[in-house]
Amino acid sequence: DTEVTQTPKHLVMGMTNKKSLKCEQHMGHRAMYWYKQKAKKPPELMFVYSYEKLSINESVPSRFSPECPNSSLLNLHLHALQPEDSALYLCASSHRQGQNTEAFFGQGTRLTVV
Amino acid sequence: QKEVEQDPGPLSVPEGAIVSLNCTYSNSAFQYFMWYRQYSRKGPELLMYTYSSGNKEDGRFTAQVDKSSKYISLFIRDSQPSDSATYLCAMGPGAQKLVFGQGTRLTINP
Repeated sequence: DTEVTQTPKHLVMGMTNKKSLKCEQHMGHRAMYWYKQKAKKPPELMFVYSYEKLSINESVPSRFSPECPNSSLLNLHLHALQPEDSALYLCASSHRQGQNTEAFFGQGTRLTVV
Repeated sequence: QKEVEQDPGPLSVPEGAIVSLNCTYSNSAFQYFMWYRQYSRKGPELLMYTYSSGNKEDGRFTAQVDKSSKYISLFIRDSQPSDSATYLCAMGPGAQKLVFGQGTRLTINP
C-alpha cells in the first residue's frame, strides 16, 4: 500500500484565519515532506522531516509552521496567509532520507486564501 | 540554465501511438531518476524510478536513462486516452531534494 492521505482536500481561508493541513502515511516511512505547487508549475520543496526532526526548511515564511507529531503524521499550520499563498499543498513520504529512495505523494490540499 | 530541462508541450497524439517524453539535466551528481504522472488537480503519482543507466520496463511504460548524455526518457506504448495527464521528470541524489522538470502536458486523442 503506497498511500499518503491528506486532509482536507479543499480549504478556503481568510487572511486572518488559522488553519492546519494534515498528512498521514502508514508505510513505515521515516522521511516526510511538504511541497507547494502553483498552477502549471512543478512542485517546490518547503520542508523535510527525517525521523520526526525538521532537517530542511527551504526559507519558507514563518506564516507556515510544520509539525511532525509522530512518524506517521505531518501537519502544516497556517496563519496570516496572503492570497499569493493559494496553491496545491502536497505531502510526500519516503522510506528514508537520502540516496536511492523514491517519494510518494498524497493527493494534495487545494488552498484558497481570500 | 535550469538543472533539469523538460519541454512543457503541449503534446497531442492519437490513441495507440508510442509517446516519447524526455528530460535533460546538467548535474552529474544526480543518480536517481523518477517519472510522475499528474492528473489535473491531483497529486503526482509515481510511475517509474531508476538509479542506473539503461532501460526499465513496467507494462506499457519504459524508462530510459543515459548518464553519459545526461538524458532520460519515458516511453508509453499503445497510448490510451486515460494516459492524458502532465508527466513530470524528477531527479536527485534521492528523495530528499528532488529537482523537477517543468512537466509535459500530454493529450491522447481517441
